[in-house]
Amino acid sequence: DTAVSQTPKYLVTQMGNDKSIKCEQNLGHDTMYWYKQDSKKFLKIMFSYNNKELIINETVPNRFSPKSPDKAHLNLHINSLELGDSAVYFCASSQVEGTIYFGEGSWLTVV
Amino acid sequence: GQQVMQIPQYQHVQEGEDFTTYCNSSTTLSNIQWYKQRPGGHPVFLIQLVKSGEVKKQKRLTFQFGEAKKNSSLHITATQTTDVGTYFCERGGNTDKLIFGTGTRLQVFP
Repeated sequence: DTAVSQTPKYLVTQMGNDKSIKCEQNLGHDTMYWYKQDSKKFLKIMFSYNNKELIINETVPNRFSPKSPDKAHLNLHINSLELGDSAVYFCASSQVEGTIYFGEGSWLTVV
Repeated sequence: GQQVMQIPQYQHVQEGEDFTTYCNSSTTLSNIQWYKQRPGGHPVFLIQLVKSGEVKKQKRLTFQFGEAKKNSSLHITATQTTDVGTYFCERGGNTDKLIFGTGTRLQVFP
């Protein structure tokens, strides 16, 4: 069974659209994350959720919003998509100070 | 903000040559993690270093944590084509467990 699963794996959409990426972890971890990896391979934290509470929020546009219905899920909603949003988005989870386990990534292309 | 720099950004080696990537932090680290990301894949945990001066080995990979706990290195002996990928360090510790290094992309030519 996949520990951290995210869907869809590939997403091609037009500018201005709203889209969501779903993430689920079955590891029983307390903390979940969303990372953005750009074309230069830099991994940047976007959000971190601990027990349904947002604890870190980097300087991410408010078009991006995380939603956590329960401890095992952290979905990413993106409104009014822009060309610069094209990237790979990774969901991840961990226990406090534990190893970070990544999902397989969602390749978002905005055209 | 707090930065974790890695050098080099890219490294191309002939199969059989050694490879080293360095991770440098501007502040003292509580611990450091290393991850490997294969092309088209996702980052996968390799190892954690906690103690000052710590050295750990995994087959051909040797990981070191600096005495001052501000830098770390990953050395691969006799690279193989399976070593291809991007290697990231990540600073650990509670709420600052959010900073990944800039990554070193390794290409190995047969």
